[in-house]
Amino acid sequence: SQKIEQNSEALNIQEGKTATLTCNYTNYSPAYLQWYRQDPGRGPVFLLLIRENEKEKRKERLKVTFDTTLKQSLFHITASQPADSATYLCALSHQTGANNLFFGTGTRLTVIP
Amino acid sequence: GAGVSQSPSNKVTEKGKDVELRCDPISGHTALYWYRQRLGQGLEFLIYFQGNSAPDKSGLPSDRFSAERTGESVSTLTIQRTQQEDSAVYLCASSLVRLAGVAGELFFGEGSRLTVL
Repeated sequence: SQKIEQNSEALNIQEGKTATLTCNYTNYSPAYLQWYRQDPGRGPVFLLLIRENEKEKRKERLKVTFDTTLKQSLFHITASQPADSATYLCALSHQTGANNLFFGTGTRLTVIP
Repeated sequence: GAGVSQSPSNKVTEKGKDVELRCDPISGHTALYWYRQRLGQGLEFLIYFQGNSAPDKSGLPSDRFSAERTGESVSTLTIQRTQQEDSAVYLCASSLVRLAGVAGELFFGEGSRLTVL
């Protein structure tokens, strides 16, 4: 069956440290993968998109990697801040050429001051 | 509009009643998505519209659920004979499809919170 699994439901880290979130998938062949942030009571907000031929993508303090062999994406937040506390969701398409997106269950990140 | 707009923001209904949820996507966005999010859980794909193509309805959980979209504008999600397990936040998103096979970023509305008593 198709699965998108994100590591630990919740992750707590100390302010200033690097947070690393994992997204693993099975029985998908995505052409790209996206990461979103969701705050309580709000809709998700897009952060980054990485294509299958890209190994790494950066945006300010965010870095995403995509390993199609391992079927895994890693999402890093460097120099984390309490304001980074939120749920982070990965999303991918079912197969190359498909535009509908399926989401993982999310990881709730708490950055402790 | 400036963003994706959903209405109502909150809906409380009795079991067995029908409900209709509305989504106004960002003007010009050809793709529109509906997701369901139960409390403390991830997003569950329901249905996807892309331009004038036949919608992908593979995520609709039962025949009580249906959705329509007229052209590239407003979409309505209808739930008939609501059940308590339908209680959730229903999220709508729209996007541009910039390249074949690569969806643009999704812009989400704030959701419609449905409570079935």
